[in-house]
Amino acid sequence: AQKVTQAQTEISVVEKEDVTLDCVYETRDTTYYLFWYKQPPSGELVFLIRRNSFDEQNEISGRYSWNFQKSTSSFNFTITASQVVDSAVYFCALSEPFTGGGNKLTFGTGTQLKVEL
Amino acid sequence: NAGVTQTPKFRILKIGQSMTLQCTQDMNHNYMYWYRQDPGMGLKLIYYSVGAGITDKGEVPNGYNVSRSTTEDFPLRLELAAPSQTSVYFCASTPRDRVGNEQFFGPGTRLTVL
Repeated sequence: AQKVTQAQTEISVVEKEDVTLDCVYETRDTTYYLFWYKQPPSGELVFLIRRNSFDEQNEISGRYSWNFQKSTSSFNFTITASQVVDSAVYFCALSEPFTGGGNKLTFGTGTQLKVEL
Repeated sequence: NAGVTQTPKFRILKIGQSMTLQCTQDMNHNYMYWYRQDPGMGLKLIYYSVGAGITDKGEVPNGYNVSRSTTEDFPLRLELAAPSQTSVYFCASTPRDRVGNEQFFGPGTRLTVL
């Protein structure tokens, strides 16, 4: 069975600090996809990034960067120079395909990030 | 495109009442999903559909029913509401063209059963 662990329940930082959100996953599939979603206080889920299991290149998008390491089954997310608007719950998710099509997303329990002035 | 829309945004039900949570997407996506999010938890899959007329159970289907008569609509039915069904419900959709497509989520329905 697939599993996603986000051990950090809540992180508080001061604005402009860097912060890393950890994600560790378990799967028996050789082909899989990992995702990060952001859930701001308004409640909607915002897609941030997708990474497939064959692509271990790190990715940077503005202040966001992701470090995918298959050897440790981790897909960590770093926010550089955090801002108050980054305050949200962040979910890591692992995708496995259904036999008949479509994908099941297994979510971690989320990390609540609070960025204070 | 409106994307994925859900109605209502909020609802309070009494134990034993029934209701239907509506979900519509205008992106012509084949795959649609229903999740529930309990406080402090991640999302768990209730039901999913790979196309009109085809539905299947997810991880936590008990107490729910779905139907998919059109590509656009995927309503979720609660027949006998229980306090354990107090949760935030999210509908999502994804196109068929590629494995690993991200799922597009609706804004959610916050349901309280008293």
